[in-house]
This record gives sequence, structure tokens and C-alpha cells, in this order.
Amino acid sequence: DMKVTQMPRYLIKRMGENVLLECGQDMSHETMYWYRQDPGLGLQLIYISYDVDSNSEGDIPKGYRVSRKKREHFSLILDSAKTNQTSVYFCASSAGTGGAVWAEQFFGPGTRLTVL
Amino acid sequence: KTQVEQSPQSLVVRQGENCVLQCNYSVTPDNHLRWFKQDTGKGLVSLTVLVDQKDKTSNGRYSATLDKDAKHSTLHITATLLDDTATYICVVGDRGSALGRLHFGAGTQLIVIP
Repeated sequence: DMKVTQMPRYLIKRMGENVLLECGQDMSHETMYWYRQDPGLGLQLIYISYDVDSNSEGDIPKGYRVSRKKREHFSLILDSAKTNQTSVYFCASSAGTGGAVWAEQFFGPGTRLTVL
Repeated sequence: KTQVEQSPQSLVVRQGENCVLQCNYSVTPDNHLRWFKQDTGKGLVSLTVLVDQKDKTSNGRYSATLDKDAKHSTLHITATLLDDTATYICVVGDRGSALGRLHFGAGTQLIVIP
């Protein structure tokens, strides 16, 4: 069953606390992504991972870091969360890289993070 | 600057009616365009992908067109069902390679009422 999972689904944190968002996929995809979705805006790419320990910044990496120690897992870490990081975070994976038409991205259900 | 604009922002239709969603973009180069459906509280699911200069696709009650000269795409939903209630997102890929990036629209929120 082709699936991208995210944990937790909902999270409330206080400003300054650390946040760990987890993502898993069962398709052995090399490439994984973290996006955030805010009202009225398209999804914005935070980080992209091309494989284990091969990560690159996306368009809005400031305030975030990632970790990929296994191909099937990709974590997003917020060190000292800020209120403007309140958002819905989506993880995705694809068999290829970049924007190739054949590298369709499969998305997880999202994590709704609220930073108070 | 937003490179993918979708209209309308929201739309309410009665079950059984047809509807058309629009996507205009300025992404260059424009390698392909994909439409996603996002149910409330869920992830994005691909509906169709368009590739050719002037392309048409059909997937059940969903059909889509792309005109790369006009940088414009439409998504048609025929005989809407209550389950079509969702946000529809237009995404443009700027290259057919590993160097390519995806550019996301903000989406059209479709509500189908009985």
C-alpha cells in the first residue's frame, strides 16, 4: 500500500519549545520533501532530501532543520519554535527528483502545528 | 510574486451541476501542469497531469485542458457529487529534470451542496 504517514497530526507548542515532526513512506522513494501550507498561499518548500544524509534547502529553510538517517524516514525539526511557524506542514515523497513530470509527489495527511 | 494564480478563490455549486476551475501562471519554462485534490484535513492527491503545448486529459468526471501559449489551464468537473467538496490545487513544474521545481497555486475551494 503506497502511503506517506505523518506524526503527530496535531501539535500545540509554546514559543521557544523544540518541535519534531516525523514523516514516513513505504514506497522506497529516494526523494522526500517538507512543505508548509498557509491560508491564501500555495505550498512552500522548506527542505528537500535526495536520499539519506543528502538534504538541501528549499525556498524557506530559515528556522528549520531536517534529518534523514533512513530512506523511509524524514524529520523536520524546529529549534525554539516561533509563533509565525504556526502552519500546516506536509511531507511528500517521489521516485525521482525535482519537477520532472514522471516524479509525481505523494503527500502525507499533514501536521497542524500551533505555536502559542 | 505569485507565479500561479487560481480562480475563483471559492465556489459553491449544487450537486449535479458542472463547474470550471481556472489556473493562470507565469512560470517559465513550463514543463508540465498537474491538478491536485485536497480534502479537508488531508494531503494532496493527483487528479491529472498535462504536458503538451495544447493538451487535454480526462479522468472520469474530471477533465482538464492546458494551453502553454496562453499559460492557462482549466479543470472541469462534470455532474458534481458531495464528495467533490475539496480544495483543488494547480501546480506547475518548470523543468523535466532533477533541476526542476514545482510552483503551487493557493487553490480553489469547491463546496458542493445538496
